[in-house]
Amino acid sequence: DAGVTQSPTHLIKTRGQHVTLRCSPISGHKSVSWYQQVLGQGPQFIFQYYEKEERGRGNFPDRFSARQFPNYSSELNVNALLLGDSALYLCASSGNSNQPQHFGDGTRLSIL
Amino acid sequence: EDQVTQSPEALRLQEGESSSLNCSYTVSGLRGLFWYRQDPGKGPEFLFTLYSAGEEKEKERLKATLTKKESFLHITAPKPEDSATYLCAVQALDSGGGADGLTFGKGTHLIIQP
Repeated sequence: DAGVTQSPTHLIKTRGQHVTLRCSPISGHKSVSWYQQVLGQGPQFIFQYYEKEERGRGNFPDRFSARQFPNYSSELNVNALLLGDSALYLCASSGNSNQPQHFGDGTRLSIL
Repeated sequence: EDQVTQSPEALRLQEGESSSLNCSYTVSGLRGLFWYRQDPGKGPEFLFTLYSAGEEKEKERLKATLTKKESFLHITAPKPEDSATYLCAVQALDSGGGADGLTFGKGTHLIIQP
């Protein structure tokens, strides 16, 4: 079975631009979470969606937004990019709250 | 606020030299503690979930244990392919609004030399 897939794998943007990252969860998983991982740090929680509804949000500004589609895939949008947004963006999926989250290999975002 | 502290930050071992990684945590109520392995350029790979103090889980050369304040990842007779960053994360019982977001530590970078 395919794992969590994310696209694109790498992306280079300039300050002030907008970016959309995509995630397809493991088949049958209805929960998708997004994390930001800065070099040398652990992942930091951004959003969780379950059954197309936002269930939680971490300590990130309103420039970050997300949505989940009827097929449970998800998009993470970031507006007005800053240099500090350069990071690995990870998507994780799980079947429900009692199951572990499984991660994709992420999108490496570089801001120039 | 949930917190996870991992030590040491980095560890270099000889092949076959057993050791332990530490994960200290504070959380309002623990739903689960998770161990992940992360290779360079990859996403975290799930290893174990622990739910209550006294619980232990094993997989090949790895064994995870849990107390009320910390978890240990014991590595027995490691091989070079065990080299990776090991991440510990906690999930709170009540994250407010029902979110299942994980709080991660910074990880332990483990190098096993042949």
